[in-house]
Amino acid sequence: ETGVTQTPRHLVMGMTNKKSLKCEQHLGHNAMYWYKQSAKKPLELMFVYSLEERVENNSVPSRFSPECPNSSHLFLHLHTLQPEDSALYLCASSQILGGVGELFFGEGSRLTVL
Amino acid sequence: AQSVTQPDIHITVSEGASLELRCNYSYGATPYLFWYVQSPGQGLQLLLKYFSGDTLVQGIKGFEAEFKRSQSSFNLRKPSVHWSDAAEYFCAVEGRDDKIIFGKGTRLHILP
Repeated sequence: ETGVTQTPRHLVMGMTNKKSLKCEQHLGHNAMYWYKQSAKKPLELMFVYSLEERVENNSVPSRFSPECPNSSHLFLHLHTLQPEDSALYLCASSQILGGVGELFFGEGSRLTVL
Repeated sequence: AQSVTQPDIHITVSEGASLELRCNYSYGATPYLFWYVQSPGQGLQLLLKYFSGDTLVQGIKGFEAEFKRSQSSFNLRKPSVHWSDAAEYFCAVEGRDDKIIFGKGTRLHILP
């Protein structure tokens, strides 16, 4: 596989469930990102990891918990979410932090919270 | 703080017609500027980027953009659109803190 792969592509969960989103990059990049894409709003940067260390946490509620076990994998653990958390969650990677250029995005995980 | 404004939420053009998508940014110094495209059900893909030098940059799929410092703009252009160009287009700016900030996007519709 090449590029950035996200699973699952679609997820429906209740407010009391716990689930996880997974992202894997096959590009040898050192930085990985979670973005939230909601209708009619700009992409919101949620978390940034550089060399497996979290370097950015943009005031994201604690019901979202990221994990970066190595430079190729990034998870977003979800628990007790709210309906307003329904969105497309995009994972991205870049060769170095900030990219100074290109972010490579996965196709996203469409989350629906009931 | 840096910000990006894309004033047009939707744009409709006929196939074969020219296209210009507007982007204005707010940033104190010379920014790094980008245009990304998102096709339905896909992630974002980089079309082109500006760091320095020539203010007219060429990208993939026949797109180009021009950086105009005096107008704080970085508009995207294509001389002749194809039906496959129908997508959402995002302008983005990267500041000194390495954060990449995206605009709200412009959805492009193509008439046959």
